[in-house]
Formats: sequence, C-alpha cells, structure tokens
Amino acid sequence: QSVLTQPPSASGTPGQRVTISCSGSSSNIGSNYVYWYQQLPGTAPKLLIYRNNQRPSGVPDRFSGSKSGTSASLAISGLRSEDEADYYCAAWDDSLSGPDWVFGGGTKLTVL
Amino acid sequence: QVQLQESGPGLVKPSETLSLTCTVSGGSISSYYWSWIRQPPGKGLEWIGYIYYSGSTNYNPSLKSRVTISVDTSKNQFSLKLSSVTAADTAVYYCALMTTVTGGIDYWGQGTLVTVSS
Repeated sequence: QSVLTQPPSASGTPGQRVTISCSGSSSNIGSNYVYWYQQLPGTAPKLLIYRNNQRPSGVPDRFSGSKSGTSASLAISGLRSEDEADYYCAAWDDSLSGPDWVFGGGTKLTVL
Repeated sequence: QVQLQESGPGLVKPSETLSLTCTVSGGSISSYYWSWIRQPPGKGLEWIGYIYYSGSTNYNPSLKSRVTISVDTSKNQFSLKLSSVTAADTAVYYCALMTTVTGGIDYWGQGTLVTVSS
C-alpha cells in the first residue's frame, strides 16, 4: 500500500487533455513539495515536474503540475502517443526518524 | 551531466545478502544525497533509503532492519546491502541522485534486475 494514492489507470485520445491525481496527507503533500516522474516501458523513471509545478529543462510545457492542500495533479495537454507511460507522484514525508521519500502507486496512461 | 551505473550480482539466494554498488561519473559524490529505489516486476516504485555524502543515512521504516547504505568518496561510489532476502525482494534496483536544485530525485541509474531464487 503506497503512502500517496493515485488512480491505477488513465486514458485519453491524441490532442486531449488528461489529468492524474495524487492524494496524500498533512505530513507529506500537505507540508512538502510534490514531484512527478514519467517511466516509459523498460526504462528508468525521469523527472517530469519538481517543486509542485516546475519543469526541468527539456520537459515540454504540455506537462504541468499543481498542488492544493494534501492533493496534487499532473496535467498533460495535447496528448501524444509517446506520452503513453507510467506516471508516479512523490514527496518528502516528515517522519520522526527523518524525512522519508514516498511514492504514489503509479498511474498507467494509455493513449487510445 | 552526472551519470549513475548500478552493478552487482543478478541472482541472490534466499536468506543471503544482496549487495549492489552505484558508480557515479560526471560529478563528485562529495555532495548531495544518494538514494536507492526498487521496483518489483510489474509493480510500483519503493524508496529504500538515502545517504548523505558525509555518511548520515535514512531508511524506509519497512526495510530498516535489513538495509545498510554506505558511501566511498575515494571511489565515487555508494553501496546497498539488503540482508535476509526472500523472493519478495526480487526487483529492479535503481540508484539515484537527489540534489538541492530540485529538492528531490533528479537523476536515475538505468537499474539492475536482482532475482532472489535458489
């Protein structure tokens, strides 16, 4: 059971806008930044969004992130076939032993 | 650009210790946080733990009793040891870099599959 909750699947057609949600608690999303990773089949995850809504250089502006309270969302606009991948949210969680890094269970995005 | 490469046995027997090393190139290990993450086949990502270059560590509470992460700054490497493994520890193991630029995991190694089986 993952600390952060994501829907297991999402889908959309080319050109469409899709959003993926990530729900947490006051000890993680509620008090820390949210990160999003894209994992293409057979490859390592890649940083897509950091500090809630910042894009690393090279990530298209079709990808955007937002956060409100203890939830966050990743939005993909102008959906393309190459966006078909698994998407994971992550955040620091303020535990007594020191901050832990926690992931969502992942969302498999299918481009129809 | 920093690159990370995992190395170690691909097959480990049940009850033995899994040992992996991550070699860092294109940058010094003497800064930032260095992390291990794993992904069982067909499943999601699980954070194992991290080490600061100075040696301070923090581990996933669910694995803490079996995990040791260490750093060797002279070799620009850091390592993972996971003891008393079972089939449930079969996974792709990734090493990763966490920087203050993003505050999270910036770079990942390509990952290495470790299978626990007799």
